[in-house]
Amino acid sequence: QKEVEQNSGPLSVPEGAIASLNCTYSDRGSQSFFWYRQYSGKSPELIMFIYSNGDKEDGRFTAQLNKASQYVSLLIRDSQPSDSATYLCAVNTGFQKLVFGTGTRLLVSP
Amino acid sequence: EAGVVQSPRYKIIEKKQPVAFWCNPISGHNTLYWYLQNLGQGPELLIRYENEEAVDDSQLPKDRFSAERLKGVDSTLKIQPAELGDSAVYLCASSLSSSDSPLHFGNGTRLTVT
Repeated sequence: QKEVEQNSGPLSVPEGAIASLNCTYSDRGSQSFFWYRQYSGKSPELIMFIYSNGDKEDGRFTAQLNKASQYVSLLIRDSQPSDSATYLCAVNTGFQKLVFGTGTRLLVSP
Repeated sequence: EAGVVQSPRYKIIEKKQPVAFWCNPISGHNTLYWYLQNLGQGPELLIRYENEEAVDDSQLPKDRFSAERLKGVDSTLKIQPAELGDSAVYLCASSLSSSDSPLHFGNGTRLTVT
C-alpha cells in the first residue's frame, strides 16, 4: 500500500462546477496535510494546508480532513479553465518527512 | 521575498558524465530538501537538511549521488556518473524548521541523460 494515494484522473468538470479531489494516507500518526498545484512543466505551488479535522476554506478552495478515515480532500468551487493542473496531496508523516501522492490531473472545460 | 532559486533550469548530458545542480533556499529557511520527480509521478524525497546536517538521506542512491550544504544555506546535488534512468526533474525546496511548515519549491532542473 502506498503511503499517499490519489486517483490519477483526469477529472473533467465544466467551468463553474465544483471539483472534488481526494487523497487517502496510510500513516495514522500523520499530523499535517498539504495540497499543491502543479501546472505542466512547472514546479509545485502550495495552495492549502490543514492540520485539524474538519474544513478549512480559502477563497474558492476548501480542504477537508478526516483523520479517523485517513482521508483528505480539496474542493474547488466555481472551477475555472485556469484551474486545470495536477493537484498533489502531501502528508507530513512525522519529523518533517513529507510524502507526496502521484497527483490528480484536473481538466476544466469552458 | 525571493523564492527558492535553482540552476540550471535545463541540463542535457551523455550517460556516464557528471552533473551538478545548485539551490539557494528562501532566506531564513533552515530546512532544505532535494526531490526527484519523474513524469506523471509525485516528487520523491532524496535528501533533507536541517542547517548543514543531512537528517534524512535514506532515499539517496549513495553510489552515484552526493549532496552538500556546507554553510547551511545553499546546496549542491551531484550525480556521478549519470545513467539514462536519472533523466527527471530535480526539485529543491525549503521550509522553516517547524514540523508543520509548508515546503516552497524552486523551479527545478530538468535533466536529460542521452
